[in-house]
Amino acid sequence: AQSVTQPDIHITVSEGASLELRCNYSYGATPYLFWYVQSPGQGLQLLLKYFSGDTLVQGIKGFEAEFKRSQSSFNLRKPSVHWSDAAEYFCAVSSGNTGKLIFGQGTTLQVKP
Amino acid sequence: EAGVAQSPRYKIIEKRQSVAFWCNPISGHATLYWYQQILGQGPKLLIQFQNNGVVDDSQLPKDRFSAERLKGVDSTLKIQPAKLEDSAVYLCASSLAPGLAGDNEQFFGPGTRLTVL
Repeated sequence: AQSVTQPDIHITVSEGASLELRCNYSYGATPYLFWYVQSPGQGLQLLLKYFSGDTLVQGIKGFEAEFKRSQSSFNLRKPSVHWSDAAEYFCAVSSGNTGKLIFGQGTTLQVKP
Repeated sequence: EAGVAQSPRYKIIEKRQSVAFWCNPISGHATLYWYQQILGQGPKLLIQFQNNGVVDDSQLPKDRFSAERLKGVDSTLKIQPAKLEDSAVYLCASSLAPGLAGDNEQFFGPGTRLTVL
Protein backbone atom coordinates (compact mmCIF):
# COMPACT_ATOMS: atom_id res chain seq x y z
CA ALA A 1 0.00 0.00 0.00
CA GLN A 2 1.11 3.52 -0.68
CA SER A 3 2.22 5.57 2.30
CA VAL A 4 4.15 8.69 3.17
CA THR A 5 6.20 9.29 6.30
CA GLN A 6 7.37 12.64 7.53
CA PRO A 7 9.68 11.77 10.44
CA ASP A 8 9.78 15.26 11.95
CA ILE A 9 6.55 16.49 13.50
CA HIS A 10 7.97 19.86 14.49
CA ILE A 11 11.09 21.75 13.39
CA THR A 12 12.41 25.10 14.59
CA VAL A 13 15.01 27.03 12.62
CA SER A 14 16.41 30.52 12.87
CA GLU A 15 15.55 33.05 10.22
CA GLY A 16 18.20 32.97 7.52
CA ALA A 17 19.24 29.41 8.29
CA SER A 18 18.89 26.56 5.83
CA LEU A 19 16.01 24.12 6.00
CA GLU A 20 15.48 20.49 5.10
CA LEU A 21 12.20 18.68 5.67
CA ARG A 22 12.27 14.93 5.27
CA CYS A 23 9.81 12.77 3.38
CA ASN A 24 9.89 9.04 2.75
CA TYR A 25 7.37 7.24 0.61
CA SER A 26 6.29 3.72 -0.14
CA TYR A 27 5.01 3.10 -3.64
CA GLY A 28 5.41 0.23 -6.07
CA ALA A 29 5.80 2.14 -9.29
CA THR A 30 7.29 5.49 -10.24
CA PRO A 31 5.62 7.91 -7.86
CA TYR A 32 4.16 11.29 -8.47
CA LEU A 33 5.39 13.36 -5.51
CA PHE A 34 4.25 16.68 -4.14
CA TRP A 35 5.00 19.15 -1.39
CA TYR A 36 2.18 21.37 -0.12
CA VAL A 37 2.25 24.19 2.43
CA GLN A 38 -0.64 25.12 4.69
CA SER A 39 -0.74 28.38 6.62
CA PRO A 40 -3.15 28.72 9.55
CA GLY A 41 -6.74 28.90 8.36
CA GLN A 42 -5.72 28.43 4.75
CA GLY A 43 -6.06 25.68 2.23
CA LEU A 44 -3.14 23.76 0.82
CA GLN A 45 -0.84 25.45 -1.65
CA LEU A 46 1.37 23.46 -3.99
CA LEU A 47 5.09 24.22 -3.57
CA LEU A 48 6.47 21.80 -6.14
CA LYS A 49 5.91 18.45 -7.79
CA TYR A 50 7.90 15.62 -9.33
CA PHE A 51 6.56 13.45 -12.12
CA SER A 52 9.66 12.40 -14.07
CA GLY A 53 12.92 13.69 -15.47
CA ASP A 54 15.34 15.82 -13.50
CA THR A 55 15.37 14.59 -9.91
CA LEU A 56 16.00 18.08 -8.53
CA VAL A 57 12.85 20.14 -8.86
CA GLN A 58 12.41 23.82 -8.23
CA GLY A 59 9.29 25.25 -6.72
CA ILE A 60 7.78 28.50 -5.62
CA LYS A 61 9.05 30.68 -2.77
CA GLY A 62 12.64 29.49 -3.23
CA PHE A 63 11.96 25.86 -2.32
CA GLU A 64 13.48 22.84 -4.03
CA ALA A 65 13.22 19.10 -3.53
CA GLU A 66 15.29 16.13 -4.61
CA PHE A 67 13.86 12.77 -5.59
CA LYS A 68 16.09 9.87 -4.55
CA ARG A 69 14.66 6.57 -5.74
CA SER A 70 17.30 4.49 -3.91
CA GLN A 71 16.29 6.04 -0.61
CA SER A 72 12.57 6.41 -1.36
CA SER A 73 12.89 10.02 -0.32
CA PHE A 74 11.72 13.40 -1.54
CA ASN A 75 13.19 15.94 0.88
CA LEU A 76 12.29 19.61 0.72
CA ARG A 77 15.01 22.24 1.07
CA LYS A 78 15.41 25.97 1.24
CA PRO A 79 18.78 27.71 1.59
CA SER A 80 17.58 30.63 3.70
CA VAL A 81 14.34 30.59 5.65
CA HIS A 82 12.16 33.67 6.07
CA TRP A 83 9.79 34.29 8.96
CA SER A 84 6.87 34.01 6.53
CA ASP A 85 7.80 30.38 5.86
CA ALA A 86 6.40 29.37 9.24
CA ALA A 87 3.58 26.97 8.38
CA GLU A 88 2.75 23.29 8.12
CA TYR A 89 4.29 21.32 5.29
CA PHE A 90 2.85 18.17 3.78
CA CYS A 91 4.49 15.66 1.50
CA ALA A 92 2.15 13.59 -0.67
CA VAL A 93 2.27 10.77 -3.20
CA SER A 94 -0.26 10.27 -5.94
CA SER A 95 -1.45 7.37 -7.97
CA GLY A 96 -1.22 8.39 -11.60
CA ASN A 97 -4.36 6.42 -12.39
CA THR A 98 -6.79 8.28 -10.17
CA GLY A 99 -4.90 11.30 -8.91
CA LYS A 100 -5.74 10.40 -5.32
CA LEU A 101 -3.25 12.03 -2.93
CA ILE A 102 -1.89 10.24 0.11
CA PHE A 103 -0.44 12.68 2.59
CA GLY A 104 2.13 12.40 5.32
CA GLN A 105 1.21 13.62 8.78
CA GLY A 106 2.88 16.96 8.21
CA THR A 107 5.81 18.92 9.66
CA THR A 108 5.21 22.16 11.51
CA LEU A 109 7.91 24.71 10.84
CA GLN A 110 8.60 27.41 13.38
CA VAL A 111 10.99 30.23 12.49
CA LYS A 112 12.90 32.03 15.23
CA PRO A 113 13.80 35.69 14.71
CA GLU B 1 -8.97 32.59 -12.52
CA ALA B 2 -11.23 31.93 -9.55
CA GLY B 3 -10.10 29.23 -7.15
CA VAL B 4 -12.02 26.47 -5.43
CA ALA B 5 -14.84 27.91 -3.35
CA GLN B 6 -16.18 26.33 -0.17
CA SER B 7 -18.90 27.26 2.27
CA PRO B 8 -19.44 27.67 5.07
CA ARG B 9 -15.96 28.37 6.42
CA TYR B 10 -16.90 27.39 9.96
CA LYS B 11 -19.67 25.30 11.45
CA ILE B 12 -20.45 24.28 15.02
CA ILE B 13 -23.10 21.64 15.68
CA GLU B 14 -24.23 19.28 18.41
CA LYS B 15 -23.58 15.56 18.03
CA ARG B 16 -26.35 13.69 16.23
CA GLN B 17 -27.23 16.79 14.20
CA SER B 18 -26.76 16.93 10.44
CA VAL B 19 -24.54 19.28 8.44
CA ALA B 20 -23.79 19.96 4.79
CA PHE B 21 -20.79 21.49 3.07
CA TRP B 22 -20.69 22.95 -0.41
CA CYS B 23 -17.86 23.11 -2.92
CA ASN B 24 -17.56 24.80 -6.30
CA PRO B 25 -14.45 23.66 -8.20
CA ILE B 26 -12.39 25.62 -10.68
CA SER B 27 -14.28 26.03 -13.94
CA GLY B 28 -13.58 23.21 -16.35
CA HIS B 29 -12.08 20.86 -13.77
CA ALA B 30 -13.56 17.41 -14.25
CA THR B 31 -12.28 15.85 -11.05
CA LEU B 32 -13.40 16.84 -7.56
CA TYR B 33 -12.09 15.51 -4.27
CA TRP B 34 -13.28 15.77 -0.67
CA TYR B 35 -10.64 15.33 2.02
CA GLN B 36 -10.99 15.17 5.80
CA GLN B 37 -8.17 16.71 7.85
CA ILE B 38 -8.23 15.92 11.56
CA LEU B 39 -6.15 18.19 13.75
CA GLY B 40 -2.50 17.16 13.69
CA GLN B 41 -2.88 14.85 10.69
CA GLY B 42 -2.57 15.06 6.95
CA PRO B 43 -5.68 15.19 4.78
CA LYS B 44 -7.37 11.89 4.01
CA LEU B 45 -9.42 11.34 0.88
CA LEU B 46 -13.10 10.72 1.53
CA ILE B 47 -14.48 10.66 -1.99
CA GLN B 48 -13.41 11.44 -5.55
CA PHE B 49 -15.70 12.35 -8.44
CA GLN B 50 -14.92 12.28 -12.14
CA ASN B 51 -17.58 14.55 -13.63
CA ASN B 52 -20.71 13.29 -11.82
CA GLY B 53 -19.50 9.73 -11.26
CA VAL B 54 -17.78 8.36 -8.16
CA VAL B 55 -14.21 7.14 -8.76
CA ASP B 56 -13.23 6.30 -5.18
CA ASP B 57 -15.29 6.35 -2.00
CA SER B 58 -13.51 3.54 -0.21
CA GLN B 59 -12.78 5.65 2.88
CA LEU B 60 -16.14 7.37 3.13
CA PRO B 61 -18.11 6.26 6.23
CA LYS B 62 -21.23 5.55 4.23
CA ASP B 63 -23.45 4.99 7.26
CA ARG B 64 -23.29 8.68 8.03
CA PHE B 65 -21.53 10.49 5.17
CA SER B 66 -22.91 11.12 1.71
CA ALA B 67 -21.79 13.23 -1.21
CA GLU B 68 -23.14 14.16 -4.58
CA ARG B 69 -22.10 16.02 -7.67
CA LEU B 70 -25.30 15.87 -9.67
CA LYS B 71 -24.43 18.09 -12.62
CA GLY B 72 -20.74 17.40 -12.65
CA VAL B 73 -19.89 20.85 -11.34
CA ASP B 74 -20.44 21.76 -7.71
CA SER B 75 -20.68 19.21 -4.94
CA THR B 76 -22.24 18.75 -1.51
CA LEU B 77 -20.89 16.63 1.34
CA LYS B 78 -23.33 15.72 4.11
CA ILE B 79 -22.91 14.19 7.54
CA GLN B 80 -25.96 12.74 9.27
CA PRO B 81 -25.81 12.16 12.19
CA ALA B 82 -22.57 13.79 13.25
CA LYS B 83 -20.26 12.30 15.86
CA LEU B 84 -17.64 13.97 18.01
CA GLU B 85 -14.88 12.36 15.95
CA ASP B 86 -16.13 14.12 12.82
CA SER B 87 -14.62 17.37 14.11
CA ALA B 88 -12.13 18.25 11.39
CA VAL B 89 -11.44 20.51 8.45
CA TYR B 90 -13.14 19.36 5.27
CA LEU B 91 -11.16 20.29 2.20
CA CYS B 92 -12.39 20.29 -1.35
CA ALA B 93 -9.97 20.08 -4.26
CA SER B 94 -10.28 19.92 -8.01
CA SER B 95 -8.07 18.97 -10.91
CA LEU B 96 -8.36 19.15 -14.65
CA ALA B 97 -8.21 15.38 -15.11
CA PRO B 98 -6.48 12.50 -13.33
CA GLY B 99 -4.04 10.13 -14.92
CA LEU B 100 -2.38 12.77 -17.09
CA ALA B 101 0.88 13.75 -15.45
CA GLY B 102 0.84 17.37 -16.40
CA ASP B 103 -2.76 17.76 -15.33
CA ASN B 104 -2.54 15.91 -12.07
CA GLU B 105 -2.22 19.00 -9.88
CA GLN B 106 -4.98 19.43 -7.34
CA PHE B 107 -6.09 22.90 -6.31
CA PHE B 108 -7.51 23.18 -2.81
CA GLY B 109 -10.20 25.36 -1.36
CA PRO B 110 -9.86 27.07 2.04
CA GLY B 111 -11.79 24.32 3.81
CA THR B 112 -14.69 24.15 6.23
CA ARG B 113 -13.82 23.76 9.89
CA LEU B 114 -16.42 21.60 11.62
CA THR B 115 -16.70 21.40 15.39
CA VAL B 116 -19.03 18.79 16.85
CA LEU B 117 -19.96 19.35 20.51
